[in-house]
Amino acid sequence: AQSVTQLDSQVPVFEEAPVELRCNYSSSVSVYLFWYVQYPNQGLQLLLKYLSGSTLVKGINGFEAEFNKSQTSFHLRKPSVHISDTAEYFCAVSDFSGGYNKLIFGAGTRLAVHP
Amino acid sequence: DAGVIQSPRHEVTEMGQEVTLRCKPISGHNSLFWYRQTMMRGLELLIYFNNNVPIDDSGMPEDRFSAKMPNASFSTLKIQPSEPRDSAVYFCASSSSWDTQYFGPGTRLTVL
Repeated sequence: AQSVTQLDSQVPVFEEAPVELRCNYSSSVSVYLFWYVQYPNQGLQLLLKYLSGSTLVKGINGFEAEFNKSQTSFHLRKPSVHISDTAEYFCAVSDFSGGYNKLIFGAGTRLAVHP
Repeated sequence: DAGVIQSPRHEVTEMGQEVTLRCKPISGHNSLFWYRQTMMRGLELLIYFNNNVPIDDSGMPEDRFSAKMPNASFSTLKIQPSEPRDSAVYFCASSSSWDTQYFGPGTRLTVL
């Protein structure tokens, strides 16, 4: 079965500092990975996705993630964060055992950007 | 494009009452998902519809929960009777391609 582990429940960081949000996955088949962001009192929004090809994936708002098959990781990075990046970030992996793309979400990482 | 629309945004009800949550997917999207988000269990898929037909309802917690999609532009999630443990944020999401889901703003349900 597919699963995702987000290693940090909360990450505090100062504005303009770099940040890395960690995600490890468990999958026995081809892997499709996603990062979603949830701003306060809003629904989830897709940040980026890895389907195939280049292991470095660029997303919206200056975020990028690197797929590392040997380490079964898909960490999210941003070189310089803004106050507006304060949100909850969810890593997800696809599970096609039911014949459709069922997203299995991690527990989430709360990013708090301080001035 | 208005995005996925959910109503109400907040619902407070008493235990035992019937609750109906509503969702209007993005026009042209043929897949619809209902999720529940709680602190204890995170984000859980409750039910998945494709072309208005329920495909996977294995995540529906018990018979008190039911979902319908009478047409391509409307879906409901009903809880009857409601219990305090049903308190959560319920999200509806829609998609037209397998690799991207668009989430609504959610309905925050509180059952007293």
